[in-house]
Amino acid sequence: GESVGLHLPTLSVQEGDNSIINCAYSNSASDYFIWYKQESGKGPQFIIDIRSNMDKRQGQRVTVLLNKTVKHLSLQIAATQPGDSAVYFCAENMGNQGGKLIFGQGTELSVKP
Amino acid sequence: KAGVTQTPRYLIKTRGQQVTLSCSPISGHRSVSWYQQTPGQGLQFLFEYFSETQRNKGNFPGRFSGRQFSNSRSEMNVSTLELGDSALYLCASSYHPGTGQETQYFGPGTRLLVL
Repeated sequence: GESVGLHLPTLSVQEGDNSIINCAYSNSASDYFIWYKQESGKGPQFIIDIRSNMDKRQGQRVTVLLNKTVKHLSLQIAATQPGDSAVYFCAENMGNQGGKLIFGQGTELSVKP
Repeated sequence: KAGVTQTPRYLIKTRGQQVTLSCSPISGHRSVSWYQQTPGQGLQFLFEYFSETQRNKGNFPGRFSGRQFSNSRSEMNVSTLELGDSALYLCASSYHPGTGQETQYFGPGTRLLVL
């Protein structure tokens, strides 16, 4: 079936520490992956994406790693700040289904000051 | 550039009624997708429109329908509302669906409560 699963439903980190959020995807045909951040009462906000021909991509304080061998995706947030507290979703796209995104269940990140 | 806008932001309906939600994509974006978000099922794809044509549809009953206008604005309609339709309905836009490797930007959503 279609599924993008997360290993950890909640993650609590200390301010200033690095955070790692993991995601497993099930469809080896997926070729595009996105991480979204959703704060309470808001829609998902784009963080970073990666295509299947890459294994790492860096943004501002964020890095996404893709391991196609084990179908695993991770989001690393450096120097986590209280404003990073939110639910993080990974999403996959299989290319042959237009813009359809399959979302994971989400991981709630809580940053302690 | 303004983001994706959705109206209304909040809506209360009763069972059996119908509802229409509206989405205006980012200027220049031609593809609009709709998602339903619930605590139990998470984010689920409803359908996608491009150039006024439905390109893809998720596993939802026929009570859920949508359309796209020539200016790329989109509406979705839910008829004969059920309690289980209570959810946050999210709209996302992208420039062109192409192979699907297009970043989709989400609006704030419409919170629908069915009583």
